[in-house]
Amino acid sequence: AQKVTQAQTEISVVEKEDVTLDCVYETRDTTYYLFWYKQPPSGELVFLIRRNSFDEQNEISGRYSWNFQKSTSSFNFTITASQVVDSAVYFCALSDDNTDKLIFGTGTRLQVFP
Amino acid sequence: ETGVTQTPRHLVMGMTNKKSLKCEQHLGHNAMYWYKQSAKKPLELMFVYSLEERVENNSVPSRFSPECPNSSHLFLHLHTLQPEDSALYLCASSQDWKGAGTEAFFGQGTRLTVV
Repeated sequence: AQKVTQAQTEISVVEKEDVTLDCVYETRDTTYYLFWYKQPPSGELVFLIRRNSFDEQNEISGRYSWNFQKSTSSFNFTITASQVVDSAVYFCALSDDNTDKLIFGTGTRLQVFP
Repeated sequence: ETGVTQTPRHLVMGMTNKKSLKCEQHLGHNAMYWYKQSAKKPLELMFVYSLEERVENNSVPSRFSPECPNSSHLFLHLHTLQPEDSALYLCASSQDWKGAGTEAFFGQGTRLTVV
């Protein structure tokens, strides 16, 4: 069965700290996709990144970086030099050829204090 | 105009009321979705529509009734709800519903409170 686990319910940091949000997934498929979404207080989920299972290269986009490790079934998300505007709930999600649809984790609430 | 628009943003209704949530997407997508977001639970996929046809219904109680009159609009009709139905209801759309890796675009949600 497909499953996404975000063990960290809430994280609080002070501005300029680095923070890593963990995501562990389960799937039997060899072809699958992993996503991160950001949900600010306004409510909508904002797409951040999609990676497929055949591409294990880490990705960096500005202050955001993602570490995909198939050996540990993890797709962790790091924010460098966090800012107050990063405060949001972050969701990790999985889709594979078996389900097609997105399976979400429970989310991690990040609070960045000035 | 934002890609996926939901109205109303907030709704308070009694258990005997009937109300509807509306979703509109301006992205030319073929698939639309309703999700329920409750506190400390994963997002629950409720319904999937592809080209105006319902393709998935995940054991949702009949007090929730979706309607998709065209590929740009999606409604969720509510009647005789229970307090545990209070949640954030999110609408999303994607280019197609089949195909792992399809990115979904979400609306801002309707915060529903059932009293």
